[in-house]
Amino acid sequence: DADVTQTPRNRITKTGKRIMLECSQTKGHDRMYWYRQDPGLGLRLIYYSFDVKDINKGEISDGYSVSRQAQAKFSLSLESAIPNQTALYFCATSDISGKYNEQFFGPGTRLTVL
Amino acid sequence: AQSVAQPEDQVNVAEGNPLTVKCTYSVSGNPYLFWYVQYPNRGLQFLLKYITGDNLVKGSYGFEAEFNKSQTSFHLKKPSALVSDSALYFCAVRTYNTDKLIFGTGTRLQVFP
Repeated sequence: DADVTQTPRNRITKTGKRIMLECSQTKGHDRMYWYRQDPGLGLRLIYYSFDVKDINKGEISDGYSVSRQAQAKFSLSLESAIPNQTALYFCATSDISGKYNEQFFGPGTRLTVL
Repeated sequence: AQSVAQPEDQVNVAEGNPLTVKCTYSVSGNPYLFWYVQYPNRGLQFLLKYITGDNLVKGSYGFEAEFNKSQTSFHLKKPSALVSDSALYFCAVRTYNTDKLIFGTGTRLQVFP
């Protein structure tokens, strides 16, 4: 969905490096999410944010941190990357009626940690 | 705990034939159910959802899904498959008292000409 953008689209890094993945949205949604996708495991929630001051851990938050710089921006950081963080990362958004409405996904960032 | 199961890693079907991609769920309370599709090198795209009401839900690209409370299932269907339907399909669930979406592991649909 062009309304949700992620940068970079691809990144190769080395173990121990700090990495930041960025997400921006023009949908005007309050809620933003970070997921990782691994083959055979589907999508798993890393962090989510209901507004700039409300950030919550998902099911696999260890090794990650996030920052909600503005309503439209939600960044995911890997403070010290490790190889098992190699995955496809997706940002998503939903409006304030999130439980009823679908989430809109960005195109994904493919991260490889060597 | 909430969970979603997609029992088939892959579904193969000939073009023009009907297709079914299976999904079962386990939640406490009323479920809100979603189907998403992922094409190669793309993000997930919303197909359809069940919130309440009619058990048969119609969505994008000719897909539909049937909510069956007694069998706790929400299978995705299409009467006539197209080669362009080949993609990875995800079922997801949430309940009233949580805003988190739980995804299944995905089913790869391959439609052969």
